[in-house]
Amino acid sequence: EAQVTQNPRYLITVTGKKLTVTCSQNMNHEYMSWYRQDPGLGLRQIYYSMNVEVTDKGDVPEGYKVSRKEKRNFPLILESPSPNQTSLYFCASSFPTSGRAKGSYNEQFFGPGTRLTVL
Amino acid sequence: AQSVTQLDSHVSVSEGTPVLLRCNYSSSYSPSLFWYVQHPNKGLQLLLKYTSAATLVKGINGFEAEFKKSETSFHLTKPSAHMSDAAEYFCVVSVGGSQGNLIFGKGTKLSVKP
Repeated sequence: EAQVTQNPRYLITVTGKKLTVTCSQNMNHEYMSWYRQDPGLGLRQIYYSMNVEVTDKGDVPEGYKVSRKEKRNFPLILESPSPNQTSLYFCASSFPTSGRAKGSYNEQFFGPGTRLTVL
Repeated sequence: AQSVTQLDSHVSVSEGTPVLLRCNYSSSYSPSLFWYVQHPNKGLQLLLKYTSAATLVKGINGFEAEFKKSETSFHLTKPSAHMSDAAEYFCVVSVGGSQGNLIFGKGTKLSVKP
């Protein structure tokens, strides 16, 4: 089954304790992305990756790191979590578009979400 | 700069009545536009997308949306609401090009009364 998986689904941790949220997709997608969802703010992009070893900042990258060593995996790393990073996190993936008009893009497939609480 | 505005944070309808969820966008060039749905405690599912083909786009579960360039709108509609439509809906615009960024609206929560 084609899917995006995230682990863990739920995590409660304490301030300053490094954590990693894993994301894996089995659709051979080049593009992967991380979002956080907060009430009243919709989804905001943290980081994205156009391909292996190619990553870039989204709208809210502070306090986060990512890596893309393999095509299928895109882990999100919080080196020193703080309470303001308590949120619902989504990983997504898609094929990029080549040769299309600027502004067009394929839809993204989302993982089930990871609910993180930082005390 | 690209942006998307969902005009209502909450919409309440009765079962069997029409649904209208409003979305306006701002984009420097021809955008790709999407509607996603999120049911409680679930991930996001694509409802429909507009990518410069037909301006009236049909999606899953009887939803459709019309791209109106003159009004910079991409409103989501459904002729008859069902209880299972109760969810949060997100209008999304793509930045596109090499960046691949998506800009999400803040969401509209749809309630359906029996």
